[in-house]
Amino acid sequence: AQTVTQSQPEMSVQEAETVTLSCTYDTSENNYLFWYKQPPSRQMILVIRQEAYKQQNATENRFSVNFQKAAKSFSLKISDSQLGDTAMYFCAFIPSGTYKYIFGTGTRLKVLA
Amino acid sequence: NAGVTQTPKFQVLKTGQSMTLQCAQDMNHEYMSWYRQDPGMGLRLIHYSVGAGITDQGEVPNGYNVSRSTTEDFPLRLLSAAPSQTSVYFCASSRTGQETQYFGPGTRLLVL
Repeated sequence: AQTVTQSQPEMSVQEAETVTLSCTYDTSENNYLFWYKQPPSRQMILVIRQEAYKQQNATENRFSVNFQKAAKSFSLKISDSQLGDTAMYFCAFIPSGTYKYIFGTGTRLKVLA
Repeated sequence: NAGVTQTPKFQVLKTGQSMTLQCAQDMNHEYMSWYRQDPGMGLRLIHYSVGAGITDQGEVPNGYNVSRSTTEDFPLRLLSAAPSQTSVYFCASSRTGQETQYFGPGTRLLVL
């Protein structure tokens, strides 16, 4: 079975600091990779999307990814962490040739004041 | 636009009862999907649809049925609820099956 691994079940970071969440996957081909955020409200919100065929890493304001295709790694960096970033973060991807999104088990991030 | 809506927000069932979780989207998305979220297991795909009249199984389809008679609606049916189906259920949609998904607010289901 194709899997996504998020090896850090929980992390914490001080407000205004930078934190990196890791994600690895085990398929050879995929088109898109995603990071979703789930705050205590339970609503799933897209944080950032990476197109796998693009060399350039995606950036959205304080959020950026480090996509290492050969290493099958897709980490999320959050700069200038804010209290509102406290949430569960899920990495996800879609293997090429399928319509089956695969999610990791999540990393619970707590931003400390 | 309302986006993706789900009803009910919370439901309690007894073992053996049946029910339908409703999902609707107003974005004219072709792709819709259902997930269940259990502690420590992330989101697991139950069923998905790439258009009206077309459905397929995901990772954990047993005990669930779906149909897609319109583009807008994608109900999930539990035929005979079991305690193992206690979970939070999310519906999601995307323009195609290879793009960003937009999620509903979730339905929390408790089966006694």
